[in-house]
Amino acid sequence: AQKITQTQPGMFVQEKEAVTLDCTYDTSDQSYGLFWYKQPSSGEMIFLIYQGSYDEQNATEGRYSLNFQKARKSANLVISASQLGDSAMYFCAMREGGYGGSQGNLIFGKGTKLSVKP
Amino acid sequence: KAGVTQTPRYLIKTRGQQVTLSCSPISGHRSVSWYQQTPGQGLQFLFEYFSETQRNKGNFPGRFSGRQFSNSRSEMNVSTLELGDSALYLCASSFALLSYEQYFGPGTRLTVT
Repeated sequence: AQKITQTQPGMFVQEKEAVTLDCTYDTSDQSYGLFWYKQPSSGEMIFLIYQGSYDEQNATEGRYSLNFQKARKSANLVISASQLGDSAMYFCAMREGGYGGSQGNLIFGKGTKLSVKP
Repeated sequence: KAGVTQTPRYLIKTRGQQVTLSCSPISGHRSVSWYQQTPGQGLQFLFEYFSETQRNKGNFPGRFSGRQFSNSRSEMNVSTLELGDSALYLCASSFALLSYEQYFGPGTRLTVT
């Protein structure tokens, strides 16, 4: 079974609007971390946001926020006020080692291609 | 502070050959991980090094190997290349073995013909 599922292969959003990218995960560990990365066409993976399994509050980093619903095992990324430069592949990932996913390898989903329209 | 650098950025090899890819982590970072990205399989973990020791290994054949030097620079080697090894190989570094953030390099795009 897939550990990270991203059900939206591609999405379009109008510039300046908000968009939610879905991610569900599967783990039996109590301690894990959830991550979102952005990959522009250049190939480099850019870290966006992190949520630890023990964190009570949803993580936020500028225009990015993570809607963490532990019981539903979902970790959706919300991008507010989309910009043209947000067009890229977005990957949800999980680490199951250490406290809150501080250790171990990243397990990635298949990604969602976001296209921002002017 | 300079980011993670990977060399070469692009490489074309023939089946049966071997290849060595290099990764220089961010200054002060001691942990280096390698990932393979293909259209079919997505992003898959290869191995992780910390203090010159392999700490974690993904599910890849023995043709894939790596090492880390005392200055934290890392190399990965693929022997007897197959067409399916064509991929983007990404290196990521983090400050310590226990670290929440990993910083990725631009990758090496390997094409096997």
